[in-house]
Amino acid sequence: DADVTQTPRNRITKTGKRIMLECSQTKGHDRMYWYRQDPGLGLRLIYYSFDVKDINKGEISDGYSVSRQAQAKFSLSLESAIPNQTALYFCATSGGRAYNEQFFGPGTRLTVL
Amino acid sequence: AQSVTQLDSQVPVFEEAPVELRCNYSSSVSVYLFWYVQYPNQGLQLLLKYLSGSTLVKGINGFEAEFNKSQTSFHLRKPSVHISDTAEYFCAVSEMDNYGQNFVFGPGTRLSVLP
Repeated sequence: DADVTQTPRNRITKTGKRIMLECSQTKGHDRMYWYRQDPGLGLRLIYYSFDVKDINKGEISDGYSVSRQAQAKFSLSLESAIPNQTALYFCATSGGRAYNEQFFGPGTRLTVL
Repeated sequence: AQSVTQLDSQVPVFEEAPVELRCNYSSSVSVYLFWYVQYPNQGLQLLLKYLSGSTLVKGINGFEAEFNKSQTSFHLRKPSVHISDTAEYFCAVSEMDNYGQNFVFGPGTRLSVLP
């Protein structure tokens, strides 16, 4: 079983809809991250969380919100999706002795029409 | 704040030829350095990392990278590539004094291995 899972893997939605992307991990890590990937831009950090009560904005947090429901779960929400949020979204974790390395989920491909 | 530059957005190379993917970084403090690989329709997988010690780091699938502090570079090399190495490669940097909370990725280099 994968250590970091993301649901859904693919989603097509319309402008103005609310969307939630979910991430779960079984690695026991305390830190979790959400990135978006766009061609030619690499990965950019949206939000990160170092424990259940800690939420921090990343480089491009506008238009997004997150919730850390438990140590193992970190969800990303788009309250009102817009077309330029079409991207590949990745969840990542770090922690324990591997605090300086990030482990990635398989990604969610989101298309906003 | 740190930044990462990958000068080559695309690198085509013939099978069994050597390849070097370039990465330069900018930071005012000491850093950890990483190379990740993304195969088509998959997430990112760690290839190798430099934390401390020897500046020549060996990773999976025959890749290696050398940390050059004076040139602020961490170039990735493989002496003989295979078709299966076709993927996108990302260099990333994390500042030591932030314990990895500032993890910055380069824009990526798409390696295409031709038969």
